[in-house]
Amino acid sequence: NAGVTQTPKFQVLKTGQSMTLQCAQDMNHNSMYWYRQDPGMGLRLIYYSASEGTTDKGEVPNGYNVSRLNKREFSLRLESAAPSQTSVYFCASNERRSGANVLTFGAGSRLTVL
Amino acid sequence: AQRVTQPEKLLSVFKGAPVELKCNYSYSGSPELFWYVQYSRQRLQLLLRHISRESIKGFTADLNKGETSFHLKKPFAQEEDSAMYYCALVDRGSTLGRLYFGRGTQLTVWP
Repeated sequence: NAGVTQTPKFQVLKTGQSMTLQCAQDMNHNSMYWYRQDPGMGLRLIYYSASEGTTDKGEVPNGYNVSRLNKREFSLRLESAAPSQTSVYFCASNERRSGANVLTFGAGSRLTVL
Repeated sequence: AQRVTQPEKLLSVFKGAPVELKCNYSYSGSPELFWYVQYSRQRLQLLLRHISRESIKGFTADLNKGETSFHLKKPFAQEEDSAMYYCALVDRGSTLGRLYFGRGTQLTVWP
């Protein structure tokens, strides 16, 4: 099925460990995003990528890095996890179609940092 | 700068009652507004786009440029409407299509 696929769905890390969240979309969208969702804070943009080979910081980029490996894949890396990074992470891709933006989200990755 | 405000974190109504989820925005360009919904433990889904002027699952939302609002309304709430609702804005002048979200409103519809 077409859509946005994120892995892993769940992950528990210890403080200081590193990990990479993977995201892939098969809709040929140009723009891709990583958001984190926290209670009372809504969705906050971490990084985004307008096209293959380009990435830009969002609202809360500290502690994260990203890679737009190709048009399909956009990964999010935590180099040294901290408890403040405990959150649910959503990847999304966007296509501008007929003058409107069509955004599709992945199912989310729940990360706990102890 | 673009900003989206949802003043209510929590909203509770009884089944059959009207419901209105508020959304106000500020923008420095030409906005495109959306409502997204997240049912329990599911991914976010697009509910409405202002550009489409559609009604989905009985919900409607009208863009009021004078009041800079995009409130979501439904005349008769159902229990299955219980979910987290996010208002979002895109600067239509941006080819990137970056989305700015409000903090969300948790709607509970009691039987």
